[in-house]
Amino acid sequence: KAGVTQTPRYLIKTRGQQVTLSCSPISGHRSVSWYQQTPGQGLQFLFEYFSETQRNKGNFPGRFSGRQFSNSRSEMNVSTLELGDSALYLCASSLAPVEDGYTFGSGTRLTVV
Amino acid sequence: GESVGLHLPTLSVQEGDNSIINCAYSNSASDYFIWYKQESGKGPQFIIDIRSNMDKRQGQRVTVLLNKTVKHLSLQIAATQPGDSAVYFCAENGGSARQLTFGSGTQLTVLP
Repeated sequence: KAGVTQTPRYLIKTRGQQVTLSCSPISGHRSVSWYQQTPGQGLQFLFEYFSETQRNKGNFPGRFSGRQFSNSRSEMNVSTLELGDSALYLCASSLAPVEDGYTFGSGTRLTVV
Repeated sequence: GESVGLHLPTLSVQEGDNSIINCAYSNSASDYFIWYKQESGKGPQFIIDIRSNMDKRQGQRVTVLLNKTVKHLSLQIAATQPGDSAVYFCAENGGSARQLTFGSGTQLTVLP
């Protein structure tokens, strides 16, 4: 079966711009979570969506937002990009929140210049 | 705040030897733990999980041990192969069903 698909794989943006990342979960998975991975901070939880509703949010500023559609696909948006937002953004899906582990996508590598 | 930590940032083992990767956690509310493997350019890949009502769980060539008394988790890889070279993360749920807290990772290198 198809895995978690994240697009685009790579992205270069200028400071102050905004960006939207997309995630298509495994078919049938209703929970989608987003994580930011950086060398300095490791993997940090951004937010989790289940049935189109944000159920949990990590400790990130309001510039980071997301949404989930009725087909469980999810997008995350980062506005007013800062250099420190450069990271690998990972999406993970599961049947139910953190049940039997997540399946991660390969991520979107965002570089802010 | 509470966090998941790893004892060693790097580990080198000879091909064919067994590997042991350790992880300490501090959130006593955690009741679900997962080990992930991440290869360069890829997302984390699920290896094995364990719930707090168990002390040990085995998979194919991997075993996870959980010691709740000292809040310690370990991943044992039998007969380590070159394909096992990667960064390994432990993760815990902090008692929540809605997010994971990840450790900083251990880089495993398998020597020929």
